[in-house]
Amino acid sequence: QKEVEQNSGPLSVPEGAIASLNCTYSDRGSQSFFWYRQYSGKSPELIMFIYSNGDKEDGRFTAQLNKASQYVSLLIRDSQPSDSATYLCAVRGGGSNYKLTFGKGTLLTVNP
Amino acid sequence: SQTIHQWPATLVQPVGSPLSLECTVEGTSNPNLYWYRQAAGRGLQLLFYSVGIGQISSEVPQNLSASRPQDRQFILSSKKLLLSDSGFYLCAYGTLGETQYFGPGTRLLVL
Repeated sequence: QKEVEQNSGPLSVPEGAIASLNCTYSDRGSQSFFWYRQYSGKSPELIMFIYSNGDKEDGRFTAQLNKASQYVSLLIRDSQPSDSATYLCAVRGGGSNYKLTFGKGTLLTVNP
Repeated sequence: SQTIHQWPATLVQPVGSPLSLECTVEGTSNPNLYWYRQAAGRGLQLLFYSVGIGQISSEVPQNLSASRPQDRQFILSSKKLLLSDSGFYLCAYGTLGETQYFGPGTRLLVL
Protein backbone atom coordinates (compact mmCIF):
# COMPACT_ATOMS: atom_id res chain seq x y z
CA GLN A 1 0.00 0.00 0.00
CA LYS A 2 1.32 3.38 -0.99
CA GLU A 3 2.05 5.59 2.00
CA VAL A 4 2.94 9.20 2.52
CA GLU A 5 4.30 10.14 5.92
CA GLN A 6 4.49 13.55 7.53
CA ASN A 7 5.34 14.68 11.02
CA SER A 8 2.00 15.77 12.47
CA GLY A 9 3.60 18.59 14.45
CA PRO A 10 2.74 21.09 15.63
CA LEU A 11 5.80 22.80 14.23
CA SER A 12 6.25 26.17 15.86
CA VAL A 13 8.55 28.84 14.40
CA PRO A 14 8.99 32.56 15.14
CA GLU A 15 7.92 35.14 12.61
CA GLY A 16 10.63 35.73 10.03
CA ALA A 17 12.23 32.31 10.46
CA ILE A 18 12.46 29.49 7.94
CA ALA A 19 9.90 26.72 8.37
CA SER A 20 10.91 23.29 7.08
CA LEU A 21 8.22 20.70 6.39
CA ASN A 22 9.14 17.15 5.47
CA CYS A 23 7.46 14.25 3.73
CA THR A 24 8.53 10.71 2.84
CA TYR A 25 6.77 8.32 0.48
CA SER A 26 6.88 4.59 -0.03
CA ASP A 27 6.19 4.19 -3.79
CA ARG A 28 9.51 4.43 -5.57
CA GLY A 29 7.71 4.86 -8.90
CA SER A 30 6.04 8.10 -7.81
CA GLN A 31 6.24 10.82 -10.43
CA SER A 32 4.66 14.02 -9.12
CA PHE A 33 4.69 15.70 -5.76
CA PHE A 34 2.41 18.39 -4.42
CA TRP A 35 2.18 20.66 -1.41
CA TYR A 36 -1.18 21.98 -0.26
CA ARG A 37 -1.98 24.44 2.51
CA GLN A 38 -5.17 24.00 4.52
CA TYR A 39 -6.41 26.64 6.90
CA SER A 40 -8.63 25.48 9.73
CA GLY A 41 -12.13 24.79 8.46
CA LYS A 42 -11.20 25.42 4.83
CA SER A 43 -10.38 23.22 1.86
CA PRO A 44 -6.79 22.54 0.74
CA GLU A 45 -5.23 24.99 -1.69
CA LEU A 46 -2.31 24.14 -3.92
CA ILE A 47 0.98 25.84 -3.07
CA MET A 48 3.27 24.19 -5.58
CA PHE A 49 4.25 20.98 -7.30
CA ILE A 50 7.55 19.43 -8.25
CA TYR A 51 8.40 16.65 -10.70
CA SER A 52 12.20 16.61 -10.92
CA ASN A 53 14.97 16.09 -8.41
CA GLY A 54 16.32 19.27 -6.93
CA ASP A 55 14.80 22.55 -5.82
CA LYS A 56 11.90 24.56 -7.17
CA GLU A 57 11.33 28.06 -5.90
CA ASP A 58 8.14 30.15 -5.97
CA GLY A 59 8.30 33.33 -3.96
CA ARG A 60 8.91 32.50 -0.31
CA PHE A 61 8.32 28.80 -0.95
CA THR A 62 10.89 26.22 -2.05
CA ALA A 63 10.08 22.60 -2.73
CA GLN A 64 12.91 20.09 -2.62
CA LEU A 65 12.76 16.59 -4.08
CA ASN A 66 15.13 13.68 -3.61
CA LYS A 67 13.74 10.62 -5.38
CA ALA A 68 16.64 8.39 -4.33
CA SER A 69 15.78 9.04 -0.69
CA GLN A 70 12.04 9.18 -1.41
CA TYR A 71 11.87 12.50 0.34
CA VAL A 72 10.21 15.80 -0.47
CA SER A 73 10.26 18.95 1.60
CA LEU A 74 8.81 22.45 1.64
CA LEU A 75 10.73 25.43 2.95
CA ILE A 76 8.93 28.64 3.83
CA ARG A 77 11.24 31.63 4.13
CA ASP A 78 10.39 34.72 6.17
CA SER A 79 7.49 32.89 7.81
CA GLN A 80 4.44 35.02 8.58
CA PRO A 81 1.60 34.42 11.04
CA SER A 82 -0.65 34.05 7.98
CA ASP A 83 1.36 30.93 7.07
CA SER A 84 -0.05 29.18 10.13
CA ALA A 85 -1.98 26.24 8.69
CA THR A 86 -1.77 22.51 8.08
CA TYR A 87 0.47 21.58 5.16
CA LEU A 88 -0.42 18.48 3.19
CA CYS A 89 2.02 16.52 1.07
CA ALA A 90 0.55 14.58 -1.85
CA VAL A 91 2.16 12.10 -4.20
CA ARG A 92 1.05 10.74 -7.57
CA GLY A 93 2.20 7.38 -8.79
CA GLY A 94 3.60 6.76 -12.24
CA GLY A 95 1.87 5.72 -15.44
CA SER A 96 -1.80 6.49 -15.94
CA ASN A 97 -2.58 6.53 -12.25
CA TYR A 98 -4.40 9.81 -11.70
CA LYS A 99 -4.80 9.35 -8.00
CA LEU A 100 -3.01 11.31 -5.32
CA THR A 101 -2.03 9.83 -1.99
CA PHE A 102 -2.03 12.40 0.80
CA GLY A 103 -0.13 12.55 4.03
CA LYS A 104 -2.02 13.49 7.17
CA GLY A 105 -0.43 16.91 7.24
CA THR A 106 1.85 18.97 9.45
CA LEU A 107 0.39 21.75 11.55
CA LEU A 108 2.57 24.86 11.35
CA THR A 109 2.26 27.72 13.82
CA VAL A 110 4.14 30.96 13.18
CA ASN A 111 4.42 33.04 16.32
CA PRO A 112 4.48 36.86 16.04
CA SER B 1 -10.28 30.22 -15.49
CA GLN B 2 -11.68 27.18 -13.80
CA THR B 3 -13.90 27.30 -10.73
CA ILE B 4 -15.41 24.53 -8.67
CA HIS B 5 -18.57 24.72 -6.62
CA GLN B 6 -19.95 22.49 -3.91
CA TRP B 7 -23.21 22.57 -2.03
CA PRO B 8 -24.47 22.62 0.50
CA ALA B 9 -21.67 24.13 2.59
CA THR B 10 -22.87 22.48 5.79
CA LEU B 11 -25.37 19.75 6.48
CA VAL B 12 -26.75 18.11 9.62
CA GLN B 13 -28.56 14.86 8.97
CA PRO B 14 -30.03 12.11 11.17
CA VAL B 15 -28.71 8.58 11.01
CA GLY B 16 -30.50 6.59 8.33
CA SER B 17 -31.43 9.57 6.19
CA PRO B 18 -30.38 9.91 2.53
CA LEU B 19 -27.62 12.17 1.26
CA SER B 20 -26.92 14.05 -1.93
CA LEU B 21 -23.92 16.34 -2.33
CA GLU B 22 -23.29 18.12 -5.58
CA CYS B 23 -20.13 19.39 -7.22
CA THR B 24 -19.89 21.37 -10.46
CA VAL B 25 -16.89 22.66 -12.36
CA GLU B 26 -16.76 25.62 -14.71
CA GLY B 27 -14.20 26.65 -17.28
CA THR B 28 -12.89 23.24 -18.29
CA SER B 29 -14.04 20.29 -20.36
CA ASN B 30 -13.83 16.60 -19.53
CA PRO B 31 -12.01 17.04 -16.23
CA ASN B 32 -11.14 14.14 -13.97
CA LEU B 33 -13.29 14.53 -10.87
CA TYR B 34 -12.71 13.26 -7.37
CA TRP B 35 -14.59 12.93 -4.08
CA TYR B 36 -12.57 12.89 -0.87
CA ARG B 37 -13.54 12.70 2.78
CA GLN B 38 -11.52 14.22 5.58
CA ALA B 39 -12.49 12.98 9.02
CA ALA B 40 -11.23 14.51 12.25
CA GLY B 41 -7.67 13.39 12.94
CA ARG B 42 -7.39 11.54 9.67
CA GLY B 43 -5.97 12.36 6.30
CA LEU B 44 -7.75 12.90 3.03
CA GLN B 45 -9.38 9.68 1.92
CA LEU B 46 -10.20 9.24 -1.76
CA LEU B 47 -13.72 7.89 -2.11
CA PHE B 48 -14.46 8.01 -5.86
CA TYR B 49 -12.97 9.31 -9.04
CA SER B 50 -14.32 9.74 -12.55
CA VAL B 51 -12.55 10.17 -15.88
CA GLY B 52 -15.75 10.81 -17.85
CA ILE B 53 -19.55 10.83 -17.90
CA GLY B 54 -20.92 7.68 -16.31
CA GLN B 55 -17.44 6.39 -15.44
CA ILE B 56 -17.01 5.97 -11.69
CA SER B 57 -14.25 4.18 -9.81
CA SER B 58 -14.74 3.39 -6.14
CA GLU B 59 -11.79 3.38 -3.81
CA VAL B 60 -13.37 2.40 -0.53
CA PRO B 61 -16.27 -0.04 -0.06
CA GLN B 62 -18.95 1.74 1.95
CA ASN B 63 -22.54 2.89 1.87
CA LEU B 64 -21.76 5.83 -0.42
CA SER B 65 -22.11 6.04 -4.18
CA ALA B 66 -21.19 8.56 -6.83
CA SER B 67 -22.56 9.53 -10.21
CA ARG B 68 -21.51 11.80 -13.04
CA PRO B 69 -24.59 12.63 -15.07
CA GLN B 70 -22.93 15.49 -16.95
CA ASP B 71 -19.37 16.31 -17.95
CA ARG B 72 -18.87 18.87 -15.20
CA GLN B 73 -21.20 17.55 -12.52
CA PHE B 74 -20.30 15.02 -9.85
CA ILE B 75 -22.74 13.81 -7.20
CA LEU B 76 -22.10 11.91 -3.99
CA SER B 77 -25.04 10.00 -2.54
CA SER B 78 -26.10 7.67 0.21
CA LYS B 79 -29.37 5.89 0.82
CA LYS B 80 -28.85 5.61 4.58
CA LEU B 81 -26.28 7.65 6.48
CA LEU B 82 -24.19 6.21 9.29
CA LEU B 83 -22.62 8.10 12.18
CA SER B 84 -19.24 7.28 10.67
CA ASP B 85 -20.16 9.21 7.53
CA SER B 86 -19.60 12.51 9.35
CA GLY B 87 -16.73 14.52 7.94
CA PHE B 88 -15.59 17.14 5.50
CA TYR B 89 -16.39 16.15 1.93
CA LEU B 90 -14.24 17.62 -0.76
CA CYS B 91 -14.67 17.54 -4.50
CA ALA B 92 -11.65 18.13 -6.71
CA TYR B 93 -10.95 18.39 -10.40
CA GLY B 94 -7.75 17.39 -12.12
CA THR B 95 -5.95 19.26 -14.87
CA LEU B 96 -3.47 17.93 -17.45
CA GLY B 97 -0.53 16.73 -15.39
CA GLU B 98 -3.06 15.87 -12.75
CA THR B 99 -2.71 18.79 -10.44
CA GLN B 100 -5.86 18.65 -8.37
CA TYR B 101 -7.83 21.67 -7.23
CA PHE B 102 -10.36 21.45 -4.46
CA GLY B 103 -13.79 22.93 -4.02
CA PRO B 104 -14.84 24.67 -0.82
CA GLY B 105 -16.16 21.46 0.71
CA THR B 106 -19.28 20.30 2.52
CA ARG B 107 -19.17 19.72 6.24
CA LEU B 108 -21.51 16.85 7.13
CA LEU B 109 -22.58 15.99 10.65
CA VAL B 110 -24.62 12.84 11.13
CA LEU B 111 -26.48 12.67 14.44
